[in-house]
Amino acid sequence: QVQLRESGPGLVQPSETLSLTCTVSGFSLTSYGVNWVRQPPGKCLEWMGVIWGDGSTAYNSLLKSRLSISRDTSKSQVFLKMNSLQTEDTAIYFCARAGINYPGVMDAWGQGASVTVSS
Amino acid sequence: DIQMTQSPASLSASLGETVTIECRASEDIYNGLAWYQQKPGKSPQLLIYNANSLHTGVPSRFSGSGSGTQYSLKINSLQSEDVASYFCQQYYDYPTFGSGTKLEIK
Repeated sequence: QVQLRESGPGLVQPSETLSLTCTVSGFSLTSYGVNWVRQPPGKCLEWMGVIWGDGSTAYNSLLKSRLSISRDTSKSQVFLKMNSLQTEDTAIYFCARAGINYPGVMDAWGQGASVTVSS
Repeated sequence: DIQMTQSPASLSASLGETVTIECRASEDIYNGLAWYQQKPGKSPQLLIYNANSLHTGVPSRFSGSGSGTQYSLKINSLQSEDVASYFCQQYYDYPTFGSGTKLEIK
């Protein structure tokens, strides 16, 4: 059974760095990519970036300067780090598996981690 | 970036009705389009990929169509469990999403 679960701090101070972990089960990180997608309150979804099965990454050009995605395949974990957080980064952060035949499709999602940026 | 314009923003329909949601891309996305359903407080779930392919386990009352820059999601015989927001997403280029359609029952 494919599962993804996000974890991390619910509250981050402005200008600090956000660190989130996506722990997966039911599939291998060396075979599937994992995306990060966020959703500000009441707004639509924004793709942040992806780490592919070969370990390469791609980022949203608007976030690229602040964002880093990495992984530990032995622990089945994918990590997101984003620095210089502002209040507009308040959102629910999802990790989502990339489809095997259509890599741009997100065929399984975690439940989401709520992050509030506030002092 | 490819912009996705989704309409309508909200929709109210009766049980058993058929509803259609539209998405227009700012350029040709060659059927690189997916549709997702997001119920309140939950994560999105894949419904359709490749513009018209039904994801495993999705009821057949959902269908997708379109080509080029114009795509649509149709829901036949609306059920109460279909109350949700629906998003389109293009993956021809780096992924971008539509603004969503909130579907309610009259």
